[in-house]
Amino acid sequence: DIVMTQSPDSLAVSLGERATINCKSSQSVLYSSNNKNYLAWYQQKPGQPPKLLIYWASTRESGVPDRFSGSGSGTDFTLTISSLQAEDVAVYYCQQYYSTQFTFGPGTKVDIK
Amino acid sequence: EVQLVESGGGLVKPGGSLRLSCAASGFTFSSYSMNWVRQAPGKGLEWVSSISSSSSYIYYADSVKGRFTISRDNAKNSLYLQMNSLRAEDTAVYYCARERKIAAGGGFDPWGQGTLVTVSS
Repeated sequence: DIVMTQSPDSLAVSLGERATINCKSSQSVLYSSNNKNYLAWYQQKPGQPPKLLIYWASTRESGVPDRFSGSGSGTDFTLTISSLQAEDVAVYYCQQYYSTQFTFGPGTKVDIK
Repeated sequence: EVQLVESGGGLVKPGGSLRLSCAASGFTFSSYSMNWVRQAPGKGLEWVSSISSSSSYIYYADSVKGRFTISRDNAKNSLYLQMNSLRAEDTAVYYCARERKIAAGGGFDPWGQGTLVTVSS
């Protein structure tokens, strides 16, 4: 199985400041035939189901604010919130869908400093 | 509106069984692979099982293989998870989630609101 790790476990950022979350996969999730990274990011607020934010590692889902961006390729990925807003307080998960055994990262909790 | 609604959760004793259901609406259910994902209290997300649109391909996490069975009824727009030999560590909120086609980017969207399964004596 592909193991996903995330860092940090949690972070606190001042309003308007940048938040950066890292995700690493135990093997490459880059599909060579289409040059796409099979990596998604989700946001989960308390008491709610997860919401898809980014797919293909860097493509924002429709309606997701452009302060959210994803980058990386192969095994190393980053989710960046360029200017943290109060409504961004949540846990963020990465997920690989390269393998039929889908796996999620352990999550990163983002709070306001 | 695309919607997924889970049901069937509850309190069950260790070793017992439970069947979860997920009712889909607002999209052509028979065209999509579907998944179950669970979340233990205060913990992260764990993928449990997936089933292809025609039930030809079925996959399970190692933690539930041999105990859980995923199925679907495309005529009823419904997804199921039969859970047998339940253990305390199966206690979680169980979400059903639609698997987007790879051509559309992949990933899970949308998710249901979840149903809580508690395994305790």
